[in-house]
Parts: sequence; C-alpha cells; structure tokens
Amino acid sequence: DAMVIQNPRYQVTQFGKPVTLSCSQTLNHNVMYWYQQKSSQAPKLLFHYYDKDFNNEADTPDNFQSRRPNTSFCFLDIRSPGLGDAAMYLCATSNTYTGANVLTFGAGSRLTVL
Amino acid sequence: AQSVAQPEDQVNVAEGNPLTVKCTYSVSGNPYLFWYVQYPNRGLQFLLKYITGDNLVKGSYGFEAEFNKSQTSFHLKKPSALVSDSALYFCAVRPLSSGSARQLTFGSGTQLTVLP
Repeated sequence: DAMVIQNPRYQVTQFGKPVTLSCSQTLNHNVMYWYQQKSSQAPKLLFHYYDKDFNNEADTPDNFQSRRPNTSFCFLDIRSPGLGDAAMYLCATSNTYTGANVLTFGAGSRLTVL
Repeated sequence: AQSVAQPEDQVNVAEGNPLTVKCTYSVSGNPYLFWYVQYPNRGLQFLLKYITGDNLVKGSYGFEAEFNKSQTSFHLKKPSALVSDSALYFCAVRPLSSGSARQLTFGSGTQLTVLP
C-alpha cells in the first residue's frame, strides 16, 4: 500500500545532542510537510517542501532544519534539542495537482529529550 | 487570516447514540473544509472533506459532516457511535482560492469518548 513511513517511531536523546528524523513516501506526492504536535494540541507546521522549494514558517526556530534529497524522502534535523522540543513530529504529504490538497500523515516520531 | 474553532475540548457520548463534534470557521472566500482523526500515538487520518456541491458530505467509518455557509459551520456527525470511535478529532480549513500548499489551519481538537 502507498504510504508515509516515519523512522524512528520513538527517539530518546539527551539535551543538546543532535537528532535526525526521517520520512519516506511511496505516494509520489509533490509536497512534504513537517509538523510538531505537543500534548494532543493542534499540529503546528514547521516547514514544507513544495517540490524542491523549501518553505519555512516564520516562527520555526533556527534549531530545526530540513532536507529533501529526492521526491520520496524528507528529513528533520534538530541541531541542539532542548526540553521544550519534546513532542510528536508528524510528516505529511499532499498532491497539489489534484486540487483539494488532502494531507496523508505518517504515524509520527515521538521525541523525548532527557 | 483564516481560523477554525472547535468549542468543545471533550465530548462524551454513550455507545449507540448519535454524536456531533462541532466546528466553525473563518476564511476569505469559499473554503475547503476537512476532518481528520487521530488515535493515540498515531498520525492524523483523513476522514472527509467539503469542496463544493452537496452540503452533506459522507466520509470514512460512517462519519458525515454538514457544511452550513450561513453559520460558517462544518459539524462532524455519526448516527450511532462506537467505542472504537474514541479518538481526537481535528477540523481544518483552507481557502478554495489558495494556491499555497501551506495554508491549512487546524482547530485545537476535540477528544471524543464513547462510553460502553
């Protein structure tokens, strides 16, 4: 089945130790997103790639970076995680060419910062 | 700017009873409206969407939603709730005219608990 896969599902890191979360998709969607979700709150958009174009939200901390080496993969790098970065990180994809722009989400990566 | 309001943080309903999860929105022009569901430690799953046409939209797992333009509402409904429907529900909106991939705004979520 076509889907969005996130790895790892659970990540534990130490304060300040860099972390990379990965996302892959078999949907061939042109847009990939990274959301941060804390404590069952609404997902907060960090950034997205529209094809190869990177779009950063104005309030996304510099500590968060992203890479999209090809259509299928996207990475979230947290350079120096703080306690406040503990959250669920959700990757999503969409195909803007079909109009409605329905998001397909991965299962998420839960980050714990010690 | 667009916004979504889900006025109830928590909705409890008995199994077999009808359920409603409320959503109101504010957007310039005509909206795309969505409902997503999230089970514990999972990503969001798409339930249904409204673009144009019939105001009553049917989606996955027996859910439906009614678009009401005059009340700017898009309430989620199900005629007979199941315990397995217990989850966190998010309403989302974006302008129909938007060409941007990012302009989807989520509500704060409503935790639905269906009691056996």
